[in-house]
Amino acid sequence: KQEVTQIPAALSVPEGENLVLNCSFTDSAIYNLQWFRQDPGKGLTSLLLIQSSQREQTSGRLNASLDKSSGRSTLYIAASQPGDSATYLCAVTPFGSGYALNFGKGTSLLVTP
Amino acid sequence: EPEVTQTPSHQVTQMGQEVILRCVPISNHLYFYWYRQILGQKVEFLVSFYNNEISEKSEIFDDQFSVERPDGSNFTLKIRSTKLEDSAMYFCASWPPGQGTKNIQYFGAGTRLSVL
Repeated sequence: KQEVTQIPAALSVPEGENLVLNCSFTDSAIYNLQWFRQDPGKGLTSLLLIQSSQREQTSGRLNASLDKSSGRSTLYIAASQPGDSATYLCAVTPFGSGYALNFGKGTSLLVTP
Repeated sequence: EPEVTQTPSHQVTQMGQEVILRCVPISNHLYFYWYRQILGQKVEFLVSFYNNEISEKSEIFDDQFSVERPDGSNFTLKIRSTKLEDSAMYFCASWPPGQGTKNIQYFGAGTRLSVL
């Protein structure tokens, strides 16, 4: 059974720092991996999607990498801002899943001014 | 930008009562999903729906749960006899056609269900 783990569970950094969030998954048989942002009490916003054949995707200050063979992904946030404070979720789409997403528990990020 | 709409935003019910959570997916999407998130826990898959039938369901989705797409626009999740442990945020998502797994799923803002 696919397990998705995110480390750290919580992170607090001063504004301007570059930071890395980690995601690991136990089964490399995936279609893709996505990173989402969740604000308190709100829905999920997709940030980046990496296909299983890709190594990385970039959007603005965000860069996500995927190493499928080792079951790892990282989300790099450059020059963090207080508005980046949120929970970041990693999710994989396993083969044979009906394309349902399998989520990690998330990393809660606080960027202080 | 098109969005997935969920109503109500918060539903309070008594244990044992039936609840219906409503979703309006994006109009040209083909796959529809329900997920739930118990407070402090991860988002969990409940059920996927394609071509007017369930395509997959998780162990959580037992006989107390059902889904419908009654009129071609709404997508509903019914819980027949709510339990305290059904208290959670319920998210609806939809997935567009074409390009397969290159497409993201679009999530609604969620319905917070509180069972008293």
